[in-house]
Amino acid sequence: KQEVTQIPAALSVPEGENLVLNCSFTDSAIYNLQWFRQDPGKGLTSLLLIQSSQREQTSGRLNASLDKSSGRSTLYIAASQPGDSATYLCAVDDSGAGSYQLTFGKGTKLSVIP
Amino acid sequence: DAGVTQSPTHLIKTRGQHVTLRCSPISGHKSVSWYQQVLGQGPQFIFQYYEKEERGRGNFPDRFSARQFPNYSSELNVNALLLGDSALYLCASSLGAGGYGYTFGSGTRLTVV
Repeated sequence: KQEVTQIPAALSVPEGENLVLNCSFTDSAIYNLQWFRQDPGKGLTSLLLIQSSQREQTSGRLNASLDKSSGRSTLYIAASQPGDSATYLCAVDDSGAGSYQLTFGKGTKLSVIP
Repeated sequence: DAGVTQSPTHLIKTRGQHVTLRCSPISGHKSVSWYQQVLGQGPQFIFQYYEKEERGRGNFPDRFSARQFPNYSSELNVNALLLGDSALYLCASSLGAGGYGYTFGSGTRLTVV
């Protein structure tokens, strides 16, 4: 059974700082990995999708890397802003193994202090 | 283009009642998945439907059921509601059964009293 762990559970940084969020998964037979953002009480907003054959994806100030063999992904946020404050969720897609589902971590709650 | 739409946004039900949640996927997407998110946890997979067939089921009791209609919209039904069913229910839309990435709706907040 796939398990996804996100470290740290919470993070507080001053505005302008660069930061890294970590995600690890136990079964490397994944189809892809997706990072989401969730504001309190809201749905999920997709940030980046990395296919299993890719090493990284970039969108604006966000960069996500994937090391499938070691079961790790990182989300790098450059020059953090107060508007980045949210919970960040990592999810792996096991569809390649036939289970057709996303397995999520519990998330990292980020607070960016002005 | 409209994103994934879910209705209702909020509802309050009494223990033992039944509830139906609805989801419309992005136009052209043929797969709909349902997830339950309790406070402080990541979403948990409930069902996936693709081309109107169930393609996956998570570890949820038989009180939970779903279906997908010819227009690819979907309903999630929960019978005999328990207090523990209180959660945010999220619908996700995808082009196919897997591997295409998912787009989520804003969710339905269910409170069982």
